[in-house]
Amino acid sequence: GAGVSQTPSNKVTEKGKYVELRCDPISGHTALYWYRQSLGQGPEFLIYFQGTGAADDSGLPNDRFFAVRPEGSVSTLKIQRTERGDSAVYLCASSAQEAPFEKLFFGSGTQLSVL
Amino acid sequence: DAKTTQPNSMESNEEEPVHLPCNHSTISGTDYIHWYRQLPSQGPEYVIHGLTSNVNNRMASLAIAEDRKSSTLILHRATLRDAAVYYCILYGGATNKLIFGTGTLLAVQP
Repeated sequence: GAGVSQTPSNKVTEKGKYVELRCDPISGHTALYWYRQSLGQGPEFLIYFQGTGAADDSGLPNDRFFAVRPEGSVSTLKIQRTERGDSAVYLCASSAQEAPFEKLFFGSGTQLSVL
Repeated sequence: DAKTTQPNSMESNEEEPVHLPCNHSTISGTDYIHWYRQLPSQGPEYVIHGLTSNVNNRMASLAIAEDRKSSTLILHRATLRDAAVYYCILYGGATNKLIFGTGTLLAVQP
């Protein structure tokens, strides 16, 4: 079956613009996670959804970042007034259930470049 | 969040075993030890996890110290495709998300 799909794979935008990044999780997975990764660093947690609701958004860096998952499947990460420091790979992951032993499946990420 | 400590980098030769260490002296009783790896230009990939007992799967083995303050990921015969960053992560209990450190960059020489 299909894995986690993220679109676009690359996004180039200008400082101050608005961007949306999409994540299609594995069908039936109830948990969905967003991470971002800067060069040479491990992925940094942003937000976690269980179903439609954000169970933990403690990693969102500021109010320019927002994520939704209206029907409990596809999720969109939205970034307003982009800054050059937002440039990174944005990773999405999903898992079948909320459990400490449940493995996460990651997509290949969206490379965001803010010029 | 409970932290882990890993060497920044390691080297191995192809077809030899690799032992990747991880220290987690502040682990709590409900924390599972998870390992993920990340190949170049890809998202992280699950490798293995365990709680107290040693674990084996088709990818690797996980050896957990009796006091659970350290663990070792074992790749029995390294291949060039195993060159990646390996992350050791504590997950479970009150921690509902994977918190990644900087991991160990494994280089495999032919």
